[in-house]
Amino acid sequence: EVQLVESGGGLVQPGGSLRLSCVASGFTFSNYWMHWVRQAPGKGLVWVSRINHDGSDITYADSVKGRFTISRDNAKNTVYLQMNSLRAEDTAVYYCARDNHLRDGYNHPMDVWGQGTTVTVSS
Amino acid sequence: DIVMTQSPDSLAVSLGERATINCKSSQSVLFSSNNKNYLAWYQQKPRQPPKLLIYWASTRESGVPDRFSGSGSGTDFTLTISSLQAEDVAVYYCQHYYNPPFSFGPGTTVDIK
Repeated sequence: EVQLVESGGGLVQPGGSLRLSCVASGFTFSNYWMHWVRQAPGKGLVWVSRINHDGSDITYADSVKGRFTISRDNAKNTVYLQMNSLRAEDTAVYYCARDNHLRDGYNHPMDVWGQGTTVTVSS
Repeated sequence: DIVMTQSPDSLAVSLGERATINCKSSQSVLFSSNNKNYLAWYQQKPRQPPKLLIYWASTRESGVPDRFSGSGSGTDFTLTISSLQAEDVAVYYCQHYYNPPFSFGPGTTVDIK
């Protein structure tokens, strides 16, 4: 079964740090580009970051640039999101999702999503 | 950056009736080199992650019922549910994947009248 499982969420104070993990199974992880998308309580979906299949091509939303770092370990089938200098507005459910970019070299939609992990930034 | 808008914000449709959601991008998401529209539709039910329904503006994802269809090109797109079922109650988002940042529309809530 194709699956993505996020972990690492929790309650953190403003200015603090957290590292999210997303473990993939049921498919060849190293063949897929990966994304993080977040959703604040009661709000819509917001794209956060993307990493290509080998970690050499990374992009971020302006709202997290300089504070968040995406990375991956293909040997562990895991993508990470290191979040520093956290703010109240980073409070959200964070989803990881895969993208079949390598299929043809073009951008693709996110076809498999994890269940999400909740990050709460509050004092 | 490409900005996505959707209309209406919400709609209530009787069971078996048609539901139509519109999505507009601030610039064309039609990629000339492969003549494809980089536009996807997702369905999100309460307490669940989003689910991909439609990509390339009109291609149904595997396993998605054929009552869901997508149309449009360039900057204007439509998701149609031809005969609304109870299990279709959800929020629907359009998203472009033309180039980063891959923004989503604000969502349209579909409910039963």
